[in-house]
Amino acid sequence: LAKTTQPISMDSYEGQEVNITCSHNNIATNDYITWYQQFPSQGPRFIIQGYKTKVTNEVASLFIPADRKSSTLSLPRVSLSDTAVYYCLVGGYNQGGKLIFGQGTELSVKP
Amino acid sequence: DVKVTQSSRYLVKRTGEKVFLECVQDMDHENMFWYRQDPGLGLRLIYFSYDVKMKEKGDIPEGYSVSREKKERFSLILESASTNQTSMYLCASVTGRGGSYNSPLHFGNGTRLTVT
Repeated sequence: LAKTTQPISMDSYEGQEVNITCSHNNIATNDYITWYQQFPSQGPRFIIQGYKTKVTNEVASLFIPADRKSSTLSLPRVSLSDTAVYYCLVGGYNQGGKLIFGQGTELSVKP
Repeated sequence: DVKVTQSSRYLVKRTGEKVFLECVQDMDHENMFWYRQDPGLGLRLIYFSYDVKMKEKGDIPEGYSVSREKKERFSLILESASTNQTSMYLCASVTGRGGSYNSPLHFGNGTRLTVT
């Protein structure tokens, strides 16, 4: 199974760029990599998804090396409102349909 | 925009009661999931369903069952609630057949269940 490993927590300051790396050594050929953001008392919400190389949208970038065994979520110029838990999720097809989350990274942005 | 609706935001039940948590999605998604979330443990998969009347166990199915009689509705059932089932329960859905998901999960806002 494509288990994911992320740092448990990270601290940053407003205006800085934050990079959160997720390792997924057993990623399967069909698997996409998806990142979610979760605020307290809410369900996780989609941030970005990619398969290889680099993907960018209006809120984040996702960097995936050629071997796809890891991925890095990049949040440019974070603000206090980016304080949340971030999850990377890999898989589906190769896990019998299961979608298993890792423990997530708790990002704290300070003024 | 996809909407996943969980019937209750907060629920308080007594030990031994049978509890139903309901989830409805409006985008004709084939796949639906139930997770529970506890501090320090992240999201843990209880059950999922990839089609009507189909169900598969996740990592922590003990003490739970599910029902999917219609495509849009996925119910989580606690047959006899216990205090260790006090938790946040999250429902999610995604399109895709055969366990192949190339689209993001859509989550409800959760049901915080307290069992006393």
